Amino acid sequence: QVQLVQSGAEVKKPGASVKVSCKASGYTFTGYYIHWVRQAPGQGLEWMGRINPHSGGTNYAQKFQGRVTMTRDTSISTAYMELSRLRSDDTAMYYCVRESCTTRCSPAHWGQGNLVTVSS
Amino acid sequence: DIQMTQSPSSLSASVGDRVTITCQASQDIRNYLNWYQQKSGKAPKLLIYDASNLETGVPSRFSGSGSGTDFTFTISSLQPEDIATYYCHQYDNLPLTFGGGTKVEIK
Repeated sequence: QVQLVQSGAEVKKPGASVKVSCKASGYTFTGYYIHWVRQAPGQGLEWMGRINPHSGGTNYAQKFQGRVTMTRDTSISTAYMELSRLRSDDTAMYYCVRESCTTRCSPAHWGQGNLVTVSS
Repeated sequence: DIQMTQSPSSLSASVGDRVTITCQASQDIRNYLNWYQQKSGKAPKLLIYDASNLETGVPSRFSGSGSGTDFTFTISSLQPEDIATYYCHQYDNLPLTFGGGTKVEIK
């Protein structure tokens, strides 16, 4: 079955960068986009962007352009999301989500989440 | 960006009640709408895709309807294990966007 296992919690200082990983198993890694969605404490869901694991092509939400980089390593079926110039309001749970496809592909299979805390 | 307006933001209902949540898109998204359930401390779980299709393994008391700009999510008979926050989500256009969520509680 599809499984996405994310790396552990991180604590970072303002201005630093964080790189979280998402290891996929149970399917062909290059066959489906991986999305990144974040959720600040007590808040709703916010889409950050997606990566095509086959080509490495990315689409980012404008809000994160210039600060986010999504990459992948197909040899180990792992996707990465790096967020730079961290601020306190970047404190959130970060989820990777694999698509599922019918007439259109959409985020369906969620990782367990990575808590990133930004604090001085 | 497509705005997703979800209502109500919270509701309280009794076990066995019918619960309805609405989601309105700021422009036509055809039927490219998902509904997710998020229980406290857990990742969201897909319940409904393409506006009205039940994800495999999801109980039949959950349903979705609508197309274009107006969508409805229904729990036909609320159960204690349905306590969660529910989100609608459009995937017609990038950037993908979510509704603000509806917190469902037991009265």
